[in-house]
Amino acid sequence: GQQLNQSPQSMFIQEGEDVSMNCTSSSIFNTWLWYKQDPGEGPVLLIALYKAGELTSNGRLTAQFGITRKDSFLNISASIPSDVGIYFCAGLGHSTGNQFYFGTGTSLTVIP
Amino acid sequence: KAGVTQTPRYLIKTRGQQVTLSCSPISGHRSVSWYQQTPGQGLQFLFEYFSETQRNKGNFPGRFSGRQFSNSRSEMNVSTLELGDSALYLCASRSNPATDTQYFGPGTRLTVL
Repeated sequence: GQQLNQSPQSMFIQEGEDVSMNCTSSSIFNTWLWYKQDPGEGPVLLIALYKAGELTSNGRLTAQFGITRKDSFLNISASIPSDVGIYFCAGLGHSTGNQFYFGTGTSLTVIP
Repeated sequence: KAGVTQTPRYLIKTRGQQVTLSCSPISGHRSVSWYQQTPGQGLQFLFEYFSETQRNKGNFPGRFSGRQFSNSRSEMNVSTLELGDSALYLCASRSNPATDTQYFGPGTRLTVL
């Protein structure tokens, strides 16, 4: 399936720092989802966004549905070691035939 | 509510063999999708089943097939395994194809020797 542009590809940060990552698409989406995946495990849903401009939080995580409907952002505040993993975005829209398109992933390393 | 379950979690096969993977969706979910995940290609969509019917199919050869049972459980079969089939196979469920939220299982790690 088609992959979305996700950046950065990897991040190495100090514990306590904030993290930002984003996904962009050439297509308009109606839904953006953010997942976290630990090695050898399946992706776990973190946040779901359904409306342009929507800002949703889940603990230290905050995600936003871009106004253009072609991008989304995920922020993690005050990172901790257990935030380590790969973060994926997923988008869904009429142009995708009701199938999810996935970002290439952001690998996050938190240095204690 | 129990999440998506997949069995087995790990599998080792040799080239030419075939394999069947199983997925049980979240209770009440009737749509099941299968994905292949590899380091080089990321998440690649295989197919989606809803009410025992295949709704969509990705760009994979005919060696990859699936089915869904009346209880929404799904199986994926790969015949004549190739080395390149080594991957993490993920199953995901949603209540129906019009639903926007999809939940993944833990995956089956397939190694082809």
